[in-house]
This record gives sequence, structure tokens and C-alpha cells, in this order.
Amino acid sequence: KAGVTQTPRYLIKTRGQQVTLSCSPISGHRSVSWYQQTPGQGLQFLFEYFSETQRNKGNFPGRFSGRQFSNSRSEMNVSTLELGDSALYLCASSTGQMNEKLFFGSGTQLSVL
Amino acid sequence: AQRVTQPEKLLSVFKGAPVELKCNYSYSGSPELFWYVQYSRQRLQLLLRHISRESIKGFTADLNKGETSFHLKKPFAQEEDSAMYYCALNQGAQKLVFGQGTRLTINP
Repeated sequence: KAGVTQTPRYLIKTRGQQVTLSCSPISGHRSVSWYQQTPGQGLQFLFEYFSETQRNKGNFPGRFSGRQFSNSRSEMNVSTLELGDSALYLCASSTGQMNEKLFFGSGTQLSVL
Repeated sequence: AQRVTQPEKLLSVFKGAPVELKCNYSYSGSPELFWYVQYSRQRLQLLLRHISRESIKGFTADLNKGETSFHLKKPFAQEEDSAMYYCALNQGAQKLVFGQGTRLTINP
């Protein structure tokens, strides 16, 4: 079966703009979680959606938001971009059950100029 | 605060030598721990999880609650083991806290 698909692969934006990233989970998976990866901070949890509801949230400002659709696809939005938002954004899907393995996408590399 | 620490950023061993990647955690409850691996030009993927008590690609990891550790071990390293390894702690609802990672290089 097809893996987790993230689009676009690369994005270049300027400060103050907003951006939307997309994630299509593995067929049958109802949980989608998002992570930010930077050289300095490593992998940090943003939020997780299960059946269109946000179940958990990390320590990121309100500029970072997300949503999940009825087909389990998820989008992540960052408004008023800052230079520090430059990062690789990873999406992961799973069945949503406790301690189930996460399947990661290839990520979207966001550069904020 | 719940935290995962991987003290070694880089680890280099020779092929055939034993490998141990260290992971320490701080967590007040019963921890659920994982090792994820990222090979060159591949996606981050699960290597093993402690609840399964499985051995994947010759790697094992034992949870030591007394020492709050979950070190990853392999008795004989192979060149294809070269990768970035992340220890992770589950805080619930797919929220993983990752360590900073250890880059393992196996020298021929």
C-alpha cells in the first residue's frame, strides 16, 4: 500500500506570509500527527488528529494550526511566518491505537526568507 | 519535565564490533519507549518498541527502570547499520518526545 504522502516537498516563503502543508496518510489510518525537525531543536511534536479531532498538542504558538478531513487527510497551517519557522515538517500516520508504530512521510522542507 | 537524552551525537565503530547507543529518559509513569532509525535518503521508521520485546535486524533494547535507560544494542555491527538513531518516549495519543539522535557510522 502507498506510504504517507506529503506535499509539497519544498517551499520558500518570506516573513509574514502564511503556508499550508498537506499530508495524506496510509489508507485505513485515522491518526495523523505533525512534527517539526530543526538542527537545533531536533524533532518536536506539533499536534495530532484522530477522526477529525485534535487529540494532543505540543508547545507551539497559535500561529501553528491544523485540521483533518473526513478522509483522514490533514493540513497544517502556519501564519505570519518567522525566520525561525524554517524547518523540515514531518507528518506521521498510524491506526491511532496506543503505542502503535508511526509511519512517517518524507517531509516538507520550509525555508522562510 | 519528560525528557529523552541521547548523550552521544556521533558514534563510530568498526564492522563486527559490538554497538551500544545510549538513551536515558525522565518520566513519572510507566514509560513506553521506541527506537526509530533513519537510513540515508530514507524516511524515519520504527526499529523497535519495548512492549514488543522484539529483535529487529539484530538490535535489542532493554528497559531498565532503575537506571531510567533504554539502550540499543547489537553484538556485531554491519555496514548497513550506519544511520541516524532516535530514542523516543510516548506521552500519549501519538505524542512522541524524541531524543536529539545519534549518528552511527560503521567503519569497514
